[in-house]
Amino acid sequence: EVQLVESGGGLVQPGRSLRLSCAASGFTFDDYAMHWVRQAPGKGLEWVSGISWNSGSIAYADSVKGRFTISRDNAKNSLYLQMNSLRAEDTALYYCAKDIRPTVTTSFDYWGQGTLVTVSS
Amino acid sequence: SSELTQDPAVSVALGQTVRITCQGDSLRSYYASWYQQKPGQAPVLVMYGKNNRPSGIPDRFSGSSSGNTASLTITGAQAEDEADYYCNSRDSSSIHFGGGTKLTVL
Repeated sequence: EVQLVESGGGLVQPGRSLRLSCAASGFTFDDYAMHWVRQAPGKGLEWVSGISWNSGSIAYADSVKGRFTISRDNAKNSLYLQMNSLRAEDTALYYCAKDIRPTVTTSFDYWGQGTLVTVSS
Repeated sequence: SSELTQDPAVSVALGQTVRITCQGDSLRSYYASWYQQKPGQAPVLVMYGKNNRPSGIPDRFSGSSSGNTASLTITGAQAEDEADYYCNSRDSSSIHFGGGTKLTVL
């Protein structure tokens, strides 16, 4: 059974940093690209970042480019999102999602339950 | 433009057919994927590529595309199909979601 479990969310002050993690199990992690998608309270989905199976291809939404860094450790079956210079508008539930392919596509077939990030003073 | 536009809300009578649309320039070059999200739950992939349903998705869901518009059709809508539906697609450098369509089954 595929499982994606996010962690690392919490309350953080504007301008500070936070690192999210996603522990994957139930599939061959290094065969698939992975993504972070967020959803602000009561709002729609927003893609944040994606990374290919071997970290050779990485992409970011314009809204986080230069502030967020996605990475993965295939030996640990883990995905990460380093979030710096956080803003109030980064407040959201952050989902980890598995791609259907090794390269970054738009099709995410498994999602975690999310970890909530709240940016507030 | 990378923007994807969806109708905010659509309704359908139980057992009838409903089409949910997604418009955007990127759809002229790339297929959309479609996601269903019920309250308090993570999204579920229901359609991708030209017309591909993931395992476990009922065959009443189908997808199509023409020009700058992608469509998700539910033939014989069921009460359990009531949910928010999101399309996404890509451009040269990024991935974008539509604003979502709230489907009500009457």
